[in-house]
Amino acid sequence: AQSVTQPDIHITVSEGASLELRCNYSYGATPYLFWYVQSPGQGLQLLLKYFSGDTLVQGIKGFEAEFKRSQSSFNLRKPSVHWSDAAEYFCAVGQGGGYQKVTFGTGTKLQVIP
Amino acid sequence: DTGVSQDPRHKITKRGQNVTFRCDPISEHNRLYWYRQTLGQGPEFLTYFQNEAQLEKSRLLSDRFSAERPKGSFSTLEIQRTEQGDSAMYLCASSWRQGNEQFFGPGTRLTVL
Repeated sequence: AQSVTQPDIHITVSEGASLELRCNYSYGATPYLFWYVQSPGQGLQLLLKYFSGDTLVQGIKGFEAEFKRSQSSFNLRKPSVHWSDAAEYFCAVGQGGGYQKVTFGTGTKLQVIP
Repeated sequence: DTGVSQDPRHKITKRGQNVTFRCDPISEHNRLYWYRQTLGQGPEFLTYFQNEAQLEKSRLLSDRFSAERPKGSFSTLEIQRTEQGDSAMYLCASSWRQGNEQFFGPGTRLTVL
């Protein structure tokens, strides 16, 4: 069965500082990996996704993530955090193909301080 | 493209009552998903439709839960005899037939008193 671990429940960073959110997955085949962001009271917005090809994936809002098969990781990064990035971030793994049963991690809540 | 919409956004009900939620997917999407999200957790898969066919149901979907997508467009999720443990955010998502990205709606927050 597929699973996702996000080891950090809360992270606090200063505005302008760099950010890295950790994600480790468990899946038997080549995974389909996603990062979503959720603002309070809102649905989830896709930041980026990895299906195949280049292991460094660029997303929206200046985010990027790197797929490392040897470490079963898909960490999310941003070089300079803005106050508007404060939200909850979810890493997810999917089965692939035309059908996507997506399994989410428990999320990392990001706080940005001035 | 107006995105995935869900109605109502909030629902407060008393234990034992029935509730029904509606999801309108992006019009060209033939795949529709329901998830449940409780406080401090990520969304958990409940069920999945391809057109009007319900192809998979999670064990989380007890007998009190039923989902339909009668014409392959909008979907409803009904919870009968609600319990306090049903309090959660219910999220709907849709995707293209051959695509792998799910687009999420804003969710329906259910509170069972």
